Amino acid sequence: SAVISQKPSRDICQRGTSLTIQCQVDSQVTMMFWYRQQPGQSLTLIATANQGSEATYESGFVIDKFPISRPNLTFSTLTVSNMSPEDSSIYLCSVVTPGNTIYFGEGSWLTVV
Amino acid sequence: AQSVAQPEDQVNVAEGNPLTVKCTYSVSGNPYLFWYVQYPNRGLQFLLKYITGDNLVKGSYGFEAEFNKSQTSFHLKKPSALVSDSALYFCAVRDPNQGGKLIFGQGTELSVKP
Repeated sequence: SAVISQKPSRDICQRGTSLTIQCQVDSQVTMMFWYRQQPGQSLTLIATANQGSEATYESGFVIDKFPISRPNLTFSTLTVSNMSPEDSSIYLCSVVTPGNTIYFGEGSWLTVV
Repeated sequence: AQSVAQPEDQVNVAEGNPLTVKCTYSVSGNPYLFWYVQYPNRGLQFLLKYITGDNLVKGSYGFEAEFNKSQTSFHLKKPSALVSDSALYFCAVRDPNQGGKLIFGQGTELSVKP
């Protein structure tokens, strides 16, 4: 298994500001992902966090809005930039273990006011 | 294109009765299939997965799921439901030819009444 820690767990943010979410894994993993879960919705993939290179973004998500860092095989950050109330969501970090199990962190619950 | 469908927004079951949460998928090739549970104000917890092998997969908390290739289904089951099983359940599929990303169903709210 993999233990994934996300910080912050919750935050209330002012519109127009930016917030960086951290994801720390207790073991080295090749694949790491960031998902968004809007209120009452399912999960949508934002991007794949690539170690040592630029993240790969899904359609509808851009680097200027959601810059991602992946400095090593156990850590990644997602920044939500210039936030608006529409960005109020749960942001979840996910990893794939060598056994092909996919685990999620507890999520970072953001409210933009 | 890959897709996952959970045809029921909500499933209601009496405690002690068997439960089934349905999932069908559409993906080219051989899919990896997953079930997750989300309790209120929590992240996603892994329940079980199917990659290959026996079509009946056993997972956490007494849950199991049956992979049916001909019907492209992966229904979640439990022989005897508990009130504590009440939560939101997500089915997800991974196309191994497209990296590790998951495509999720819309979720099914399971309510188990005493």
